[in-house]
Amino acid sequence: SQKIEQNSEALNIQEGKTATLTCNYTNYSPAYLQWYRQDPGRGPVFLLLIRENEKEKRKERLKVTFDTTLKQSLFHITASQPADSATYLCAPSYNQGGKLIFGQGTELSVKP
Amino acid sequence: DAMVIQNPRYQVTQFGKPVTLSCSQTLNHNVMYWYQQKSSQAPKLLFHYYDKDFNNEADTPDNFQSRRPNTSFCFLDIRSPGLGDAAMYLCATSRDRRRAPYQPQHFGDGTRLSIL
Repeated sequence: SQKIEQNSEALNIQEGKTATLTCNYTNYSPAYLQWYRQDPGRGPVFLLLIRENEKEKRKERLKVTFDTTLKQSLFHITASQPADSATYLCAPSYNQGGKLIFGQGTELSVKP
Repeated sequence: DAMVIQNPRYQVTQFGKPVTLSCSQTLNHNVMYWYQQKSSQAPKLLFHYYDKDFNNEADTPDNFQSRRPNTSFCFLDIRSPGLGDAAMYLCATSRDRRRAPYQPQHFGDGTRLSIL
């Protein structure tokens, strides 16, 4: 079965730096991959979606890359702010409208 | 604002006592999902509805049931909660994938279930 791995250790960075979070998957490539943000005690909130034929997607300070050779997606937050502190979940899907398989998330802490 | 609302936010029940969690949506989405999320773990899909079609995950225990009486509402019933069922339960919706593939999911803020 598919396995989704995100850094289990929390990522601590200084305000203004770029945060880079990693999502690795096993076996075959997903049709698309989504990234979500989850704050403590809240539901996940959708951030970005990238399709298997796309290398990169951007939205304001956010950038997602998708490397099917490495079986990896990277999620970048540039000019990070303390308000970006949260857990970030990656969620591949293996068909166009299908179910998502969530990673366990990486907790990001941005210090002022 | 259109949204997904879960009630209650916190639910305490006794071991073995049936409990029902509810979810409503104003997005008019065809697809509704129920996830279980334990502390520091990934949300785990329990089942989903595509309109009225119910789709159970293979590893969802029989103890968990669901009802969707109409487009707007969906319920999660836990028939005999055990201590291992203490978790956050998340409801999510998405648009009809047949008309609009690659749809994000919209989540409620969850119900945190405690078992005494």
